Amino acid sequence: QVQLVESGGGVVQPGGSLRLSCAASGFTFSSYGMHWVRQAPGKGLEWVAFIRYDGSNKSYGDSVKGRFAISRDNSKNTLYLQMNSLRAEDTAVYYCAKGDSNYFLYWGQGTLVTVSS
Amino acid sequence: QSALTQPRSVSGSPGQSVTISCTGTSSDVGGYTYVSWYQQNPGKAPKLMIYDVNKRPSGVPDRFSGSKSGNTASLTISGLQAEDEADYYCCSYAGSYTWVFGGGTKLTVL
Repeated sequence: QVQLVESGGGVVQPGGSLRLSCAASGFTFSSYGMHWVRQAPGKGLEWVAFIRYDGSNKSYGDSVKGRFAISRDNSKNTLYLQMNSLRAEDTAVYYCAKGDSNYFLYWGQGTLVTVSS
Repeated sequence: QSALTQPRSVSGSPGQSVTISCTGTSSDVGGYTYVSWYQQNPGKAPKLMIYDVNKRPSGVPDRFSGSKSGNTASLTISGLQAEDEADYYCCSYAGSYTWVFGGGTKLTVL
């Protein structure tokens, strides 16, 4: 069965950096695009970033463009999100999701990122 | 990438039907047949309920249905049950490998 397990969340100061990981199993990771979606406390879902199956195309939400970078290592079945210049408004639970066409069928359990001094 | 517009809350009694709207623009909802809906319970990851406007994944009851007209998509839940109480989010493909979610709707079963 498909499993997505995020890790790397924690508390970071404003302006700091953090790298999230998402370990995938139960499917051919190298054949699927992958997403990051976040949810601030008490708020709605926000699409963050997408990477094509081979890493050839990456896209970002306006609020993170230029600060976050999505990447993948298909040899390790792992998705990453490098987050730089973090702001208080980046505080959220970050989910990775399998890119099934244009919807999100499989989600991880999420990892909490808190940006605070 | 402006969020799609959903009502903040809707409610209905058991057995009734409720409809949640999701309004976007011709650049997202109106431009593609790639609208999806998610149910989220507190502390849990979202669950896909509808994809490609009106398709149901395996295991989702046929009480859940989706539709779209112009720039507005809708999720209808018929035969409302207590277990349907949750937050619901719409999502649309917005071109150039970008996606946009709605602000979310809290469904209360009275």
